[in-house]
Amino acid sequence: KQEVTQIPAALSVPEGENLVLNCSFTDSAIYNLQWFRQDPGKGLTSLLLIQSSQREQTSGRLNASLDKSSGRSTLYIAASQPGDSATYLCAVFLGAGSYQLTFGKGTKLSVIP
Amino acid sequence: ETGVTQSPTHLIKTRGQQVTLRCSSQSGHNTVSWYQQALGQGPQFIFQYYREEENGRGNFPHRFSGLQFPNYSSELNVNALELDDSALYLCASSFWNRVNYGYTFGSGTRLTVV
Repeated sequence: KQEVTQIPAALSVPEGENLVLNCSFTDSAIYNLQWFRQDPGKGLTSLLLIQSSQREQTSGRLNASLDKSSGRSTLYIAASQPGDSATYLCAVFLGAGSYQLTFGKGTKLSVIP
Repeated sequence: ETGVTQSPTHLIKTRGQQVTLRCSSQSGHNTVSWYQQALGQGPQFIFQYYREEENGRGNFPHRFSGLQFPNYSSELNVNALELDDSALYLCASSFWNRVNYGYTFGSGTRLTVV
């Protein structure tokens, strides 16, 4: 059974700091991995999708990396801003035969002005 | 792109009642999935529909059922509501052929069972 763990559960940083969020998964045979952002009480906004054949993806100040063999992904946020405050979730997708996304519990990020 | 829309946004029901939640998939997507998210937890997979048939189900009782319509919109039905069914219900759509390009989520329906 695929399990996804996110560390830390919560993180508070001053504005402008660079930070890294971690995601680990137990079954390395994933099809892709997706990072999401969730604001309180809201739905999920997709940030980055990494296919299993890729090592990283970048969008603006965000960079996600994937190491399938070790079962790890990181989300790097550069020059953090108060508007980045939210919960960040990673989810893995195994592909055909298992159509579900398996999520971690998320990392709650607070960026202090 | 129209995105994924869900209705209603909030709902309060009494234990034992039945509820129907609705979702309109993103244009061009052929699969729709439903997730339950309890407070402080990650979303849990309920089931997925592809071409109007259920093709995957998580560890949820059959009180939870669904439909996908020809226009790829979907419903989640929950019978005999229990207090523990209180959660945020998320709908997600995707295009699946030989490649999957990830899932797009709606804003969710907050269900409170009293």
